Amino acid sequence: GDSVTQMEGPVTLSEEAFLTINCTYTATGYPSLFWYVQYPGEGLQLLLKATKADDKGSNKGFEATYRKETTSFHLEKGSVQVSDSAVYFCALSRNTGGFKTIFGAGTRLFVKA
Amino acid sequence: EPEVTQTPSHQVTQMGQEVILRCVPISNHLYFYWYRQILGQKVEFLVSFYNNEISEKSEIFDDQFSVERPDGSNFTLKIRSTKLEDSAMYFCASRDRGRPNTIYFGEGSWLTVV
Repeated sequence: GDSVTQMEGPVTLSEEAFLTINCTYTATGYPSLFWYVQYPGEGLQLLLKATKADDKGSNKGFEATYRKETTSFHLEKGSVQVSDSAVYFCALSRNTGGFKTIFGAGTRLFVKA
Repeated sequence: EPEVTQTPSHQVTQMGQEVILRCVPISNHLYFYWYRQILGQKVEFLVSFYNNEISEKSEIFDDQFSVERPDGSNFTLKIRSTKLEDSAMYFCASRDRGRPNTIYFGEGSWLTVV
C-alpha cells in the first residue's frame, strides 16, 4: 500500500543554518504530496503542497520539489529560525477514491539561537 | 480562512466509558475524515466518510468506533468503550469535492483515558 518515509529526528540546527528533511514515498499512480507542520501543543498546519511531477511547493521560506523519478519530496529552507522549531510531517494523498492522506512518522526540528 | 472546529479540545475519561468527539467541518465540504495521533507518534488515518457512509476505514477503526453525521453540520466520532490505548489526539478533517487536494484539519481533540 501507499506509504511515506521521512528521516528520523530530532534534527538540531543553529539559527540561520540550512535545513533539509528527506522524504520519499511509495504510491501507485500520481499522488499529491504535502508537508505539514505541528508546533508544540497545536494542530496540523499545511505548510506546502505539490500536485504533480516537477511542481515546487513553497511557503514561509520552505520549499519542496515533487520528484517522480526518485519518488521524493524533500523539504528545504535556506536559513532556519528559532520559531521554525516544530515537528514536520511529509504526507501524500491519492487523487482518486476517498482521497485519504497518509503521513510519514514526522521529524522533530530544534533550532538553537 | 475557513476552518474545521472540534470539541472538546481536551477530555479526560475513565476506561470503559463512551466518548463522543465532535467536529464541524467546513460548510460546503463533502468528504470528512478522522485521524489519530498517539503522543509522539505519527498521524494515523482512521476513517473517511462521504455521502452519509463510510468510504474507507483503517484496521484501527474496529467495532468500538463509529462515525455519524447527525445533522447537516456536525460529524462525530464515538468510541464505545474506551481503553487506555485510545489516549491520543484526534483530528477531524474535511475536503471539498471540487478541490480534492486541499484538506483542512481541525485543531484536534486530546483524549486522555485513565
